[in-house]
Amino acid sequence: QKEVEQNSGPLSVPEGAIASLNCTYSDRGSQSFFWYRQYSGKSPELIMFIYSNGDKEDGRFTAQLNKASQYVSLLIRDSQPSDSATYLCAVLNQAGTALIFGKGTTLSVSS
Amino acid sequence: ETGVTQSPTHLIKTRGQQVTLRCSSQSGHNTVSWYQQALGQGPQFIFQYYREEENGRGNFPPRFSGLQFPNYSSELNVNALELDDSALYLCASSPGLAGSLSYEQYFGPGTRLTVT
Repeated sequence: QKEVEQNSGPLSVPEGAIASLNCTYSDRGSQSFFWYRQYSGKSPELIMFIYSNGDKEDGRFTAQLNKASQYVSLLIRDSQPSDSATYLCAVLNQAGTALIFGKGTTLSVSS
Repeated sequence: ETGVTQSPTHLIKTRGQQVTLRCSSQSGHNTVSWYQQALGQGPQFIFQYYREEENGRGNFPPRFSGLQFPNYSSELNVNALELDDSALYLCASSPGLAGSLSYEQYFGPGTRLTVT
């Protein structure tokens, strides 16, 4: 069973700080990785995806991928209370048809 | 808003009944996937449809079935409902080809199913 692991949290950071969310995956053949944000009672919203080793930046968000360590992370700079949500890490299966999700990390940003 | 719509928003059914959930994909998207999200869990892949054919299936029993129509909208049917089927059912559409690295999936608002 291919797995995606995330710390459930909650991760608590003050407003303006950097939040660091981490994810590990078991399938070494995985190629594409996605971060979704899910507010309570809502559906997941795509933040960004990455498939090359290194960093990818989009506004206040930076995704980092290390395939050798089977590790992907999401950094949120200048965290805002509106960033408080559950962050889901997802890995595309090798067939390229399905996303395999972790259970999510709950982030709480205090003002 | 992603442009993916789902109906109904909420549904209450009794164990043993059958249910049909509906999804309209975003304009231009020809691939639709269905996921089940239990409380406190990440979404779990049920199956995917591409050009009206099932193109992948997760670890769900045959009583979970689906359809995709020529306009790329889709249905999820669940027969013989069980209490554990209570969950948020999510439809996701994709503009890309299955197998491509940038295979982004965009979720609809979901249908909350409660089985009593």
